[in-house]
Parts: sequence; structure tokens; C-alpha cells
Amino acid sequence: EADIYQTPRYLVIGTGKKITLECSQTMGHDKMYWYQQDPGMELHLIHYSYGVNSTEKGDLSSESTVSRIRTEHFPLTLESARPSHTSQYLCASSQDGAFNYGYTFGSGTRLTVV
Amino acid sequence: KQEVTQIPAALSVPEGENLVLNCSFTDSAIYNLQWFRQDPGKGLTSLLLIQSSQREQTSGRLNASLDKSSGRSTLYIAASQPGDSATYLCAVGYGGATNKLIFGTGTLLAVQP
Repeated sequence: EADIYQTPRYLVIGTGKKITLECSQTMGHDKMYWYQQDPGMELHLIHYSYGVNSTEKGDLSSESTVSRIRTEHFPLTLESARPSHTSQYLCASSQDGAFNYGYTFGSGTRLTVV
Repeated sequence: KQEVTQIPAALSVPEGENLVLNCSFTDSAIYNLQWFRQDPGKGLTSLLLIQSSQREQTSGRLNASLDKSSGRSTLYIAASQPGDSATYLCAVGYGGATNKLIFGTGTLLAVQP
């Protein structure tokens, strides 16, 4: 059962459209992440958040933006989609503590920009 | 630079075989290491998490080991089944404020019936 939810699961959209990919988690985790993965390729971190009102860019440059207004919600927005944005976007969360439980990933959003 | 490498890149075995997937990392100051499974076009499913103070973790037919000093981890799958066919990813966490994971490129496993 998933404790981190991503919607939509698949999205096909035209060039120039604004899109928001949703990610929500019910575990109360402080840290959340967005990874981008092209088919057959490795995952690259594009955004992360320490907590509410805290966001940072990841290792791979991305034209997308993120926000973290609530602990459970970490949406990713593309103001003007382009074919080069076609990829799979994976959201994850983690929580540090006396015993780290690792990352939990969502099912991903497969984005196609035509 | 913190890098994670997985070998082999692809592996095909007959059903019932025991197999080992390898993961190596360049920076041994790890916080934890996590093995994931990814089915085609899907998200990641966590299989095993090993803390830096641990040497191995087991779950069913899976056993993961960790040798920090040599910068290596192995995932052992016993009595492989066709349902085990997937990409297996090794990811190393370095803790700290961000707790970012560094991913390997994965091993694509095909178990033939």
C-alpha cells in the first residue's frame, strides 16, 4: 500500500502548457524529493525540501519549480512545457530519527509533451 | 565526487538459480544503503535498507550485505522466480540535513521460466 501518492499517473500535454504534478504523503515526513528519470536511465535529483517553506534545487538542472506550503504536499510545476521535459517524474519522502527508515517513493508521473 | 556503480548492467538467469547483484560506492562515509526494485514504467519499491552500522539485512529470499570499508554492497536473491524480473537499484544515503540518495545505474534482471 502506498503512503505517498502522485497524480496524474500519465499525462500527455501540448507544448507551452502549464502543468502541475501532484505529490502527497501521509507519513508526516519532513524531507521530500523530486527525481527525474528518462527511460532506461538513472534517477537524477531535481528538487528537495527540508520541510515547510524550505526548497532547494537538486543535482540536475531543471526548469521546473516546487513549493512546500504544507508538510504533506510537494507539487512540481512547469510553467511552459516543452518536448525536452518528456520524462518520468518520481516523488519521494524520508524522515530522519533515531532509526532512519529510508526513502519511500510514489508510483511516478510519466509526462509526454507533444 | 560521490558515485555509485552497479554490475552487471543486465543479467539473464534460468528460474531457480541463486544470483548476486553488486553495488560499489566511492565515498564510504555513508549513512545507509537502500536496495530498490523498479518494474518497467513504474515507481520504486523499497526492498531492503541497511544502516551504516549493520552488515546485512534479510527479507524472505533476499539478503543484502554491506562492507563500508571496501565500499561494496551485494544483493543476494535465492531461488529466483520469473516474478523477480525487474531493474534493481542500489542507492546510497549520506545523511545530513538533506539525506540525499545517490543512485546507481541499476541491474536489469530477467528470470527465464
